[in-house]
Amino acid sequence: QVQLQESGPGLVKPSETLSLTCTVSGGSISNYYWNWIRQPPGKGLEWIGYAYYSGSTNYNPSLESRVTISVDTSKNQFSLKLNSVTAADTAVYYCARVRCTSTSCTMRNAFDIWGQGTMVTVSS
Amino acid sequence: DIQMTQSPSSVSASVGDRVTITCRASQGISSWLAWYQQKPGKAPKLLIYAASSLQSGVPARFSGSGSGTDFTLTISSLQPEDCAIYYCQQANGFPPLTFGGGTKVEIK
Repeated sequence: QVQLQESGPGLVKPSETLSLTCTVSGGSISNYYWNWIRQPPGKGLEWIGYAYYSGSTNYNPSLESRVTISVDTSKNQFSLKLNSVTAADTAVYYCARVRCTSTSCTMRNAFDIWGQGTMVTVSS
Repeated sequence: DIQMTQSPSSVSASVGDRVTITCRASQGISSWLAWYQQKPGKAPKLLIYAASSLQSGVPARFSGSGSGTDFTLTISSLQPEDCAIYYCQQANGFPPLTFGGGTKVEIK
């Protein structure tokens, strides 16, 4: 079955760039929407944005000026870059896939597969 | 942004009880609503999609209903393993996709 695994540094300095990668195993990255979602300690879930396998993207307006999500179909991976980080960006970061119906794949659906999450702390 | 408001924020019930969680959207979202269960230290798990469709492998004691702005998640007979935080999420109006604030379910 399809599995997602996040990887990247667990500690990032303020003002630097947070970079994470999500590796898709057990299936193809094609035809799906791939998302990043984060959860500050003890708080709720915040959608960061998505990349479609074709490369199109869409971001949360609250983060749009600092976020880039990209897809590498040759490696079956997608990535998150968040620049100019502050302590407010400290969170568990999840990658997640939007489910497809039997006939179509759109963002108007639910996140059916999630990575285990990776904790990123912003601190000097 | 579409705001998702869950109630109650926490509920304590006995094993075997029926538990109902409500999620209200600040504007109509048709049936583009999902419910997730999150246990400590784990990623959220999809329970219900399209407001009322049960995700494969999820026990039948979980059910969802509603459309437009008002939705409910019902656990028909609470089990000890159902202790978790439950989140709703809308997928109609984005960006951004938004989640409810969560409801913590505990055993009395």
